[in-house]
Amino acid sequence: QKEVEQDPGPLSVPEGAIVSLNCTYSNSAFQYFMWYRQYSRKGPELLMYTYSSGNKEDGRFTAQVDKSSKYISLFIRDSQPSDSATYLCAMSPQRRYNQGGKLIFGQGTELSVKP
Amino acid sequence: GAVVSQHPSWVICKSGTSVKIECRSLDFQATTMFWYRQFPKQSLMLMATSNEGSKATYEQGVEKDKFLINHASLTLSTLTVTSAHPEDSSFYICSASRTGNFYEQYFGPGTRLTVT
Repeated sequence: QKEVEQDPGPLSVPEGAIVSLNCTYSNSAFQYFMWYRQYSRKGPELLMYTYSSGNKEDGRFTAQVDKSSKYISLFIRDSQPSDSATYLCAMSPQRRYNQGGKLIFGQGTELSVKP
Repeated sequence: GAVVSQHPSWVICKSGTSVKIECRSLDFQATTMFWYRQFPKQSLMLMATSNEGSKATYEQGVEKDKFLINHASLTLSTLTVTSAHPEDSSFYICSASRTGNFYEQYFGPGTRLTVT
């Protein structure tokens, strides 16, 4: 069983839809949760970062962490064609590598927003 | 700010040759740099972590003698794939962090290596 599970999709939605992307994990020690956006043949770009449980909002993006269920989500409101990309979740028990942390990525969900 | 570049963006080499990939933080000093490998439609796998002036720390299963990492300065790290073989063909991505915090690491655009 992988430490982080993410449905690879592809997920196709019409422009303006609310998108829900999810990851589940097995390691209860994870405390730092991140969502990255990766366009084709490019490096990932950090979208959202959350520490421990709770919600965080930034513009059209909302990140949710439910540690009791070991489940994290990223919501995109009013989705745009420019949001078409692969979205990767990532998490670590510590914030730094030299503190015993290691960033574990999900497989990524491919999202396509149709005009 | 926080721009990381990689060079080359795409390289094709013959089996048995070595290839060097450069990772540069253009507008900040990176205390820590990370090297990842990504297969098509798969997640990023950490290969090694390097701090300026010290030896890289390799993840389990990554051959140190095959993937040579040199963190020569606070703005430059290099990954050399020695005696490359077709199975080394992959997308290699570096990231750099000023603080060492994972949520403050910035990724390069990646290098696609094809070994024929």
